[in-house]
Amino acid sequence: GDSVTQMEGPVTLSEEAFLTINCTYTATGYPSLFWYVQYPGEGLQLLLKATKADDKGSNKGFEATYRKETTSFHLEKGSVQVSDSAVYFCALSHGGYSTLTFGKGTMLLVSP
Amino acid sequence: DAGVIQSPRHEVTEMGQEVTLRCKPISGHDYLFWYRQTMMRGLELLIYFNNNVPIDDSGMPEDRFSAKMPNASFSTLKIQPSEPRDSAVYFCASYSGGAKNIQYFGAGTRLSVL
Repeated sequence: GDSVTQMEGPVTLSEEAFLTINCTYTATGYPSLFWYVQYPGEGLQLLLKATKADDKGSNKGFEATYRKETTSFHLEKGSVQVSDSAVYFCALSHGGYSTLTFGKGTMLLVSP
Repeated sequence: DAGVIQSPRHEVTEMGQEVTLRCKPISGHDYLFWYRQTMMRGLELLIYFNNNVPIDDSGMPEDRFSAKMPNASFSTLKIQPSEPRDSAVYFCASYSGGAKNIQYFGAGTRLSVL
């Protein structure tokens, strides 16, 4: 079955540091890939997505590129802010189906 | 739009009691999902509905859990009887269908079973 593996957290960074959160997946075919973010006390919200190989999703300074050859979708940001502190979830779904398979989430803590 | 609305936000109950969680999806969304989030197991899909019909309930942990969607604007997740291991955050999400496949989550219900 499908699965998503994320690096374990917490990831602790100082403000303005570079961020990478690794995500790899196992799935048949060509899934769509997502990053969701969960701020404290809130539900998940979509951060970015990519639907085919080599697509780059981007939003709020975050980027991730769909790498079919390495089955990866790593999240990056050049300069993190304290307000980016949250839990980040990598997920996949198959076209035509509505369910998402989530990774376990990676907590990011950014200090001033 | 107000987004996906869940109630209550927090629920504390005693073991053996019945618990009902409620969800109002975004108007016009055809799909509704119930998830459970725990530290140990992460985010698990419990059940989802399409046009008010349950499509896949294979994630429901056991017969103590049941979910209904009597109309397009309301769904419930019931646990009867509740047990301490049911303590978790329960999320509802909705989705309008189509290629975008973006699910919108509610703020969740934090359930504590003592």
